Amino acid sequence: QVQLVQSGSELKKPGASVKISCKASGYTFSNYALNWVRQAPGQGLEWMGWVNTNTGYPTYAQGFTGRFVFSLDTSVSTAYLEIRSLEAEDSALYYCARHEGFHYGMDVWGQGTTVIVS
Amino acid sequence: DIQMTQSPSSLSASVGDRVTITCRASRSLTRYLNWYQLKPGKAPKLLIYAASSLHTGVPSRFSGSGSGTDFNFTISSLQPEDFAIYYCQQSYDSSLTFGQGTRLEIK
Repeated sequence: QVQLVQSGSELKKPGASVKISCKASGYTFSNYALNWVRQAPGQGLEWMGWVNTNTGYPTYAQGFTGRFVFSLDTSVSTAYLEIRSLEAEDSALYYCARHEGFHYGMDVWGQGTTVIVS
Repeated sequence: DIQMTQSPSSLSASVGDRVTITCRASRSLTRYLNWYQLKPGKAPKLLIYAASSLHTGVPSRFSGSGSGTDFNFTISSLQPEDFAIYYCQQSYDSSLTFGQGTRLEIK
């Protein structure tokens, strides 16, 4: 079935980096863009940006430029979110989610990956 | 960026009740407004897209309406599994934004 499966929880120290994976299955990877969404503790959903799975071109939301890097490995239908120079404020639940066209919503989501920076 | 304002921020209701959540955008979205359900420990679910279209497999007790800047999300008869947090999200602008969420609790 169509699914996005994310990598497991991470505990990192401030200043370190983390790379979260999001593996797609059950559909043609290049037909859907991949979004990244953050939920900080006690907060709502925050869109971080998306990556074009045809070109690999990333688009970052305001507040997610510089330390945040979206990448792909199309050979294994996997998207990655790397966060560099981790800060305590990066502690959050991170989701990947696909969309076919951005107008019509994110229809399949990963289960989320918790990152704790401490 | 387009700002999204949801109301109420929380809501208490009983099984069988009809509930409505409102989402207002800082500028016109035409009909590019989506609704999601979020439960602890589970992936968010798309319920409604393009303001009023029911996503595949979503029960018909969920509905959406509106256009321009004002949108509503309604659950016609609350079921126990509907107690969750609901978010609106604009997709008119490619810089996507979410509302702050509405927590729906059991009365």
